[in-house]
Amino acid sequence: AAGVIQSPRHLIKEKRETATLKCYPIPRHDTVYWYQQGPGQDPQFLISFYEKMQSDKGSIPDRFSAQQFSDYHSELNMSSLELGDSALYFCASSLTGLRSYNEQFFGPGTRLTVL
Amino acid sequence: AQSVSQHNHHVILSEAASLELGCNYSYGGTVNLFWYVQYPGQHLQLLLKYFSGDPLVKGIKGFEAEFIKSKFSFNLRKPSVQWSDTAEYFCAVKTDSWGKLQFGAGTQVVVTP
Repeated sequence: AAGVIQSPRHLIKEKRETATLKCYPIPRHDTVYWYQQGPGQDPQFLISFYEKMQSDKGSIPDRFSAQQFSDYHSELNMSSLELGDSALYFCASSLTGLRSYNEQFFGPGTRLTVL
Repeated sequence: AQSVSQHNHHVILSEAASLELGCNYSYGGTVNLFWYVQYPGQHLQLLLKYFSGDPLVKGIKGFEAEFIKSKFSFNLRKPSVQWSDTAEYFCAVKTDSWGKLQFGAGTQVVVTP
């Protein structure tokens, strides 16, 4: 069965550079969530999209932005990278996020290292 | 503020031992509850979930969890662990219809042969 795809899997950037992370949800899933998991920490919700519109926003820095495209894939854009942005970034997708019983399926994550 | 607490950060046990991981949440309304597992180097996988109905839910790989509303708890159990259960376990709560998950800090479980 198709799973959530994230690219790249690993990314190394310098401070103050920009990065773009991509997420391809499971086919027919209309909701995408982004989470950030710092070293030894639990995943923290960043932002979500339902039907290409932002549906919820968590602890996402102003330096980050995201969008969901017409094919439902999503991109997380990160600018002015800081050392503290080094983390594993997970994307999850679900079908019809408004229905509370739909579970989220997680991608393998993108490990971002900022030097 | 809503929070999810996992009582144990690290658990070490031998194969065939029983496992119980505690999870408490602070939220007075309707919640959906989840346990996710993260094997070394892998992504989060859903073990089980509770939305409504029978408070004792069974998941994959022999895991089960019990929702006790009066205690705001959703503890994970497995009667007999295997070496392959070595992983990090996250309790998560969903409190709104938009679906974002709030995770606990995780419990690192190490099963020794």
